Amino acid sequence: EADIYQTPRYLVIGTGKKITLECSQTMGHDKMYWYQQDPGMELHLIHYSYGVNSTEKGDLSSESTVSRIRTEHFPLTLESARPSHTSQYLCASSDTSGGLYEQFFGPGTRLTVL
Amino acid sequence: AQRVTQPEKLLSVFKGAPVELKCNYSYSGSPELFWYVQYSRQRLQLLLRHISRESIKGFTADLNKGETSFHLKKPFAQEEDSAMYYCALIMNTGFQKLVFGTGTRLLVSP
Repeated sequence: EADIYQTPRYLVIGTGKKITLECSQTMGHDKMYWYQQDPGMELHLIHYSYGVNSTEKGDLSSESTVSRIRTEHFPLTLESARPSHTSQYLCASSDTSGGLYEQFFGPGTRLTVL
Repeated sequence: AQRVTQPEKLLSVFKGAPVELKCNYSYSGSPELFWYVQYSRQRLQLLLRHISRESIKGFTADLNKGETSFHLKKPFAQEEDSAMYYCALIMNTGFQKLVFGTGTRLLVSP
């Protein structure tokens, strides 16, 4: 079934740890995105990708990094987690086939850094 | 710079009452506007887009370029409409990125 998967769904980790948030999609989409969302606030784009080997920083500065080695996989890495990284991270992908734009979102990863 | 404004953080109505969630945007070009919805414990999903001129779950939204608004309306709210609603626009230049508003929580009471 075509979908977007994010793991883990919840992560509680100590300061200084390296973490990788996984995002995979079986939608066949070229474009993928990472958003950061604090409770009750808007979504902020932190990374996006046109396709394989293409990554760009988004509108909100983030200490995280991303990679896109395979079309379906777009992991986000924090080399050294800090409490300020506590947030919800949403992965999305998009398709413009047929001329109608739509972004599809994953279930999100809620990260808590102690 | 492009911006989406949703002035209400919370909108509380009774079942059967009309609902209007406000959205204003600023963009010098010709944007595409969307409404996304997030129900409790579900992922964010597209509700409707202005170019489709559709009615989804009884909701409609009309793009008013003069007032730069894209308000979401429903004549009779239902309890299952309770959710977080985000207005968003996309610039039709370069990489197509969505710009989201801060969201409005709609609470429909019985």
